[in-house]
Amino acid sequence: AAGVIQSPRHLIKEKRETATLKCYPIPRHDTVYWYQQGPGQDPQFLISFYEKMQSDKGSIPDRFSAQQFSDYHSELNMSSLELGDSALYFCASSLGLRGDEQYFGPGTRLTVT
Amino acid sequence: DAKTTQPNSMESNEEEPVHLPCNHSTISGTDYIHWYRQLPSQGPEYVIHGLTSNVNNRMASLAIAEDRKSSTLILHRATLRDAAVYYCILNSLVEYGNKLVFGSGTILRVKS
Repeated sequence: AAGVIQSPRHLIKEKRETATLKCYPIPRHDTVYWYQQGPGQDPQFLISFYEKMQSDKGSIPDRFSAQQFSDYHSELNMSSLELGDSALYFCASSLGLRGDEQYFGPGTRLTVT
Repeated sequence: DAKTTQPNSMESNEEEPVHLPCNHSTISGTDYIHWYRQLPSQGPEYVIHGLTSNVNNRMASLAIAEDRKSSTLILHRATLRDAAVYYCILNSLVEYGNKLVFGSGTILRVKS
């Protein structure tokens, strides 16, 4: 079965640079979520989109923005990168928004030097 | 967000059943109980969820207490591949958004 696809899988950037992470949800899934997992920490919710509209927002820095496109894929844009942004970034998708299970991608490992 | 409490870690022998407990005394009537697990170097993986009745799927069983203040994830025969962090998460049926709030989870170690 098709899974959530994330690209790139690894990304190395320098401080103050920008990065764009992409997420392709499972076909027919209309909801996308982004989570950040720092080293040795548990995943933290950043932001989500349902039918191309932002549906919820968590602890996402103002330097980050995201959107969901007409084909339901999503991009997380990160600017003015800081060392503390080094983390695993997971995308998940679901069908619907109320109590539905989420399916996670393999993650993008971002390293900021 | 309603909170859950899980043991920090548990250990099991291979091919034996594992019972992972979760307390959620402040659960509301519209909260689903979800379980996810995260294997090393992988994204979280959905395991099972339920509302009031016990649930079974190919991966596990979920036993929910009658008062819904606690639940237990049951792995019927643990394998080495089940070694992971297991998260018990409450997910509202009516609150718009469906975000998952991960707590610290239970680290499950499986011995051969």
